[in-house]
Amino acid sequence: EDQVTQSPEALRLQEGESSSLNCSYTVSGLRGLFWYRQDPGKGPEFLFTLYSAGEEKEKERLKATLTKKESFLHITAPKPEDSATYLCAVRFGGATNKLIFGTGTLLAVQP
Amino acid sequence: ETGVTQTPRHLVMGMTNKKSLKCEQHLGHNAMYWYKQSAKKPLELMFVYSLEERVENNSVPSRFSPECPNSSHLFLHLHTLQPEDSALYLCASRETGTGREKLFFGSGTQLSVL
Repeated sequence: EDQVTQSPEALRLQEGESSSLNCSYTVSGLRGLFWYRQDPGKGPEFLFTLYSAGEEKEKERLKATLTKKESFLHITAPKPEDSATYLCAVRFGGATNKLIFGTGTLLAVQP
Repeated sequence: ETGVTQTPRHLVMGMTNKKSLKCEQHLGHNAMYWYKQSAKKPLELMFVYSLEERVENNSVPSRFSPECPNSSHLFLHLHTLQPEDSALYLCASRETGTGREKLFFGSGTQLSVL
């Protein structure tokens, strides 16, 4: 069964303390892996798309990487404004062209 | 402003009420979606309208009824809902075609069913 799992469920960091969020998947025919950020009371906001193993994307303090089985979202020297829920989603091919979301990682960065 | 506007932002309704959620996108996209987001669960796709084709999740109860009168507007009609339908309902849009697969979400309607 196609599945997307995110870990940890919640993460608390001190400002400046770097860490990584994980998104592992078991899908056939990966067509793309997406990272979104969601602030309380708002809809998810697109961050990155990764299409093939070895690909990396960066934006400010965030860097996303992709292997054949998982993706990491690395957060370098986080600030309190990076606090949010980070969602991973995987689109796989075939007849349904379906997009599956993980349950997210709730990140809290304390000053 | 993401270009996808949802109204109302909050809705409280009784189980016998009929209400509608509205979504409007100003991005020129040709696919629109309804998602349900419940606490500690993945986003659940409810309905897709893409290039005038409707795709629905067969597990969505018939008390939810979508309507897409044109490529910019999407509605979700609600009737005789249950308390377990309380959730955040998100509308999203995107361009169809390879390489344009990122979704743009609205801020959602927080629905409470009493």
